[in-house]
Amino acid sequence: AQSVTQLGSHVSVSEGALVLLRCNYSSSVPPYLFWYVQYPNQGLQLLLKYTSAATLVKGINGFEAEFKKSETSFHLTKPSAHMSDAAEYFCAVSDRTGTALIFGKGTTLSVSS
Amino acid sequence: GAVVSQHPSWVICKSGTSVKIECRSLDFQATTMFWYRQFPKQSLMLMATSNEGSKATYEQGVEKDKFLINHASLTLSTLTVTSAHPEDSSFYICSVLRTTSGSYEQYFGPGTRLTVT
Repeated sequence: AQSVTQLGSHVSVSEGALVLLRCNYSSSVPPYLFWYVQYPNQGLQLLLKYTSAATLVKGINGFEAEFKKSETSFHLTKPSAHMSDAAEYFCAVSDRTGTALIFGKGTTLSVSS
Repeated sequence: GAVVSQHPSWVICKSGTSVKIECRSLDFQATTMFWYRQFPKQSLMLMATSNEGSKATYEQGVEKDKFLINHASLTLSTLTVTSAHPEDSSFYICSVLRTTSGSYEQYFGPGTRLTVT
């Protein structure tokens, strides 16, 4: 069975500050890991994904995440927050057979000026 | 990537009526599509997996007779909420499954907001 835990339902940062959104996973098989962003009343947009290539994954909009097997973590970071980063962020896990994603509960990122 | 559309984006219906939501893969043929449901301020919960030409696979607890899924072509899957009730009000999101370079990825539609009065 697979599961995802996102630590912190709400994270607040100042514009220009480091963004760190935490995600820990549980999987009995080598996982695929994803970070998605959702703006109000919209679908999900893929930020980045880990599929067993490089452990440091770079995504869109300056985001990156590092897969750490020893810590079963896949935390999302961005060096400098922008107001437009304010949104809901979801971490998700799947196996490698193309089955459906298992989502975490989401983290709301607020960015203040 | 992949471009996925959903129609309608918003729908309000009266209790007891049925509503059909369409999910279209606009730029590639999708054998597999997924339907998710999202309550306010909550995560996405998988409802069913839709495979072209065969019956959908529903997750535990999802009523297949209430949430009818049809995946009649490689570019279209539909979700029909039958005899809708206020508790069915939710945000419904579809996704398509695409294989690229040996790995799988899902691309999501913009979602459909259903309100049952």
